[in-house]
Amino acid sequence: DVKVTQSSRYLVKRTGEKVFLECVQDMDHENMFWYRQDPGLGLRLIYFSYDVKMKEKGDIPEGYSVSREKKERFSLILESASTNQTSMYLCASDGRVGAFFGQGTRLTVV
Amino acid sequence: QKEVEQNSGPLSVPEGAIASLNCTYSDRGSQSFFWYRQYSGKSPELIMSIYSNGDKEDGRFTAQLNKASQYVSLLIRDSQPSDSATYLCAVNRSGGNKLVFGAGTILRVKS
Repeated sequence: DVKVTQSSRYLVKRTGEKVFLECVQDMDHENMFWYRQDPGLGLRLIYFSYDVKMKEKGDIPEGYSVSREKKERFSLILESASTNQTSMYLCASDGRVGAFFGQGTRLTVV
Repeated sequence: QKEVEQNSGPLSVPEGAIASLNCTYSDRGSQSFFWYRQYSGKSPELIMSIYSNGDKEDGRFTAQLNKASQYVSLLIRDSQPSDSATYLCAVNRSGGNKLVFGAGTILRVKS
């Protein structure tokens, strides 16, 4: 079974902090994604990566950056956290037969 | 127009009935289509994928694809209370690997 692991289940951060969300997959997938999920808005793509050091902006990249130094690891960075970034963040890994999700990180920015 | 549209529901069906969930998409060049199930407080779980026109069956689930009408559906036969969840439709944008999701349909199966 594919395993996608996110570093934290719950996080509380202060406004202005730099926040790192980590994601690791164990299936050698090329594609990895970061989504946020908010009530009524569904899953929105923030960034995705199709190879090491390769990334593309999704639909809502503002205020976020990403890093993919190794194939198995994809990090989401909130440069300066704001309250409107309070959300559920979901990492996914895609082996071209559908994406598999991590358990999610519920981030609260206070 | 949203790229992937679903009726938000809730769709209520009695136990044992067929639940029919629908999804339309706007990118005519899309080639890959997926259904996910998401229980409250959990992350989405892939349940079906379909790539060509017609039906694809897996146990109690049947995915149907009509590319001409840009329409994907999921049928759940013999619905059980444990099927109560939000069902998300996802589509690969043409020319790339970006997965776009609909907002999801809430399904409630009443015993």
